[in-house]
Amino acid sequence: AQSVAQPEDQVNVAEGNPLTVKCTYSVSGNPYLFWYVQYPNRGLQFLLKYITGDNLVKGSYGFEAEFNKSQTSFHLKKPSALVSDSALYFCAVRDKGNNDMRFGAGTRLTVKP
Amino acid sequence: EAQVTQNPRYLITVTGKKLTVTCSQNMNHEYMSWYRQDPGLGLRQIYYSMNVEVTDKGDVPEGYKVSRKEKRNFPLILESPSPNQTSLYFCASSLVTSGEQYFGPGTRLTVT
Repeated sequence: AQSVAQPEDQVNVAEGNPLTVKCTYSVSGNPYLFWYVQYPNRGLQFLLKYITGDNLVKGSYGFEAEFNKSQTSFHLKKPSALVSDSALYFCAVRDKGNNDMRFGAGTRLTVKP
Repeated sequence: EAQVTQNPRYLITVTGKKLTVTCSQNMNHEYMSWYRQDPGLGLRQIYYSMNVEVTDKGDVPEGYKVSRKEKRNFPLILESPSPNQTSLYFCASSLVTSGEQYFGPGTRLTVT
């Protein structure tokens, strides 16, 4: 079965600095990869996904992620962080060969003014 | 407005008292899923459904049931709730091909 690891529980960055939230995955076949964001007392919102094609994926709110097959990683990045980016971020993977989803444990991003 | 709705949003109940959490989507999505969110564990999939009358177990199905009699609805049933089912529950839906999921607002369940 597929699995996802988010090695950092917490990431702290200063406003205006670049941010990276890390994600590694394990699947037996080819992956569908996703990033979601959760604001306090809200459901998850989709940010971006990798299905196939270009390894650099651009998504909502200026976020992007790079698919690296050799390192089995899908790190989320943003060139310049905003205080409003502070939230809980989840990476998720779905094996193209089956239909269940696996989420990581989440990374809490705090952007300080 | 495209959305996934869940009811109730908050529920406090006692051990063993059967309950149902409803989920409905208005986007004609084939795929629907239930998750529970627990601190430090992220989201874990309980059950999912590829279409009407097609359901399958996720990562943590024990103690839960689901049904998919209509495309838009996917209720989660706890026949005999126990305190370890105290959690935040999310329903989600997507088109099968895209995989991008739309999430409901969540149901916070407390079992005493």
